[in-house]
Amino acid sequence: ILNVEQSPQSLHVQEGDSTNFTCSFPSSNFYALHWYRWETAKSPEALFVMTLNGDEKKKGRISATLNTKEGYSYLYIKGSQPEDSATYLCAFPRDYKLSFGAGTTVTVRA
Amino acid sequence: KAGVTQTPRYLIKTRGQQVTLSCSPISGHRSVSWYQQTPGQGLQFLFEYFSETQRNKGNFPGRFSGRQFSNSRSEMNVSTLELGDSALYLCASSLPTSGPHGADTQYFGPGTRLTVL
Repeated sequence: ILNVEQSPQSLHVQEGDSTNFTCSFPSSNFYALHWYRWETAKSPEALFVMTLNGDEKKKGRISATLNTKEGYSYLYIKGSQPEDSATYLCAFPRDYKLSFGAGTTVTVRA
Repeated sequence: KAGVTQTPRYLIKTRGQQVTLSCSPISGHRSVSWYQQTPGQGLQFLFEYFSETQRNKGNFPGRFSGRQFSNSRSEMNVSTLELGDSALYLCASSLPTSGPHGADTQYFGPGTRLTVL
């Protein structure tokens, strides 16, 4: 994989349900992977910076895992709430540049 | 601490004009990055500055330029505006501490929405 790819592009979740989605990135020469949440009419907000294979980070109901050998990270939302509706972006740093994936847009239906 | 500020928030220009956008980073942050966001392209990296030096530049034409001042504030300029330059322009600041492939969190400003008519 040469670029950062995210799937699915969008998903709709019922309030209270859990969901997860994927970020794929180049697995060679891995240094770090960033996750951001971008709510409508707001600025992107940092969620996690992941650096170690097998890393798992958690912030409230949101957690992320990292597999650097195969080049993917999962982001999980447990018990989705309407305020979780946002676009979730992952980003791969290289040479002072963050390359962002296209994002996964999550819509939580009450 | 105050967050990243960007001015102006909204801008309307016509084709052929030029525009300058400003970004003030979080106090103490010395790296400023600029991104362009369009519906079809997502967040695209424009350039990154640290200590008044551009360390990387994205794949944009030479009409896009930037600079950073000694107080870490940054400006970006777009000359000879085209319709396709209509976008949200975001800047982000970071300390940074972790080198070129970094784990430094970037903190984003609210963006400048540029419309080119």
